[in-house]
Amino acid sequence: RKEVEQDPGPFNVPEGATVAFNCTYSNSASQSFFWYRQDCRKEPKLLMSVYSSGNEDGRFTAQLNRASQYISLLIRDSKLSDSATYLCAVWAWAAGNKLTFGGGTRVLVKP
Amino acid sequence: DAGVIQSPRHEVTEMGQEVTLRCKPISGHNSLFWYRQTMMRGLELLIYFNNNVPIDDSGMPEDRFSAKMPNASFSTLKIQPSEPRDSAVYFCASTRDGRGMNTEAFFGQGTRLTVV
Repeated sequence: RKEVEQDPGPFNVPEGATVAFNCTYSNSASQSFFWYRQDCRKEPKLLMSVYSSGNEDGRFTAQLNRASQYISLLIRDSKLSDSATYLCAVWAWAAGNKLTFGGGTRVLVKP
Repeated sequence: DAGVIQSPRHEVTEMGQEVTLRCKPISGHNSLFWYRQTMMRGLELLIYFNNNVPIDDSGMPEDRFSAKMPNASFSTLKIQPSEPRDSAVYFCASTRDGRGMNTEAFFGQGTRLTVV
């Protein structure tokens, strides 16, 4: 089993709709969580950190469920420019500051 | 700062040749990561360094792969001999001390390796 797993998608989303997807992690020592965005043929870039209490950044909402060991990302009012691959990332300090990524979830927003 | 700098951006080589990928992390960052990305396997962590010391190389696929970080501003990933299945995009990323909630990993633009 992979340490960090995501549904690869693609999630086909009508413009203006809401989309949500999860990321599960297996290492219970994981302590920091992030969502990255990767555009085609580009490097991943940080979208947002995920805090224990959940957090919002504009149209994006991230949640953490430690009991079930998953994080989620919700995108409201989807824009065409939201089309990308979303990667979750997990820091596990007990493993020597290891930063592990999921395989990514591809989102396609269509007019 | 110029960000994480990787070279070359593209590399095409013949099977059996040695390939060396280079990375310059952001100044002041003390953790450096090498990842490999393919459609089939996603973004895989190969090896990472903390303060120039390799911490975990369990992701290195086999002995043909080796990585070094001789100083805080330079790292190499070497494949010898290269094989077609090594074809992928190789990313280098750096961070400050990873013990904080807001420790963002900054990626280089990647090296697209094709082994024919």
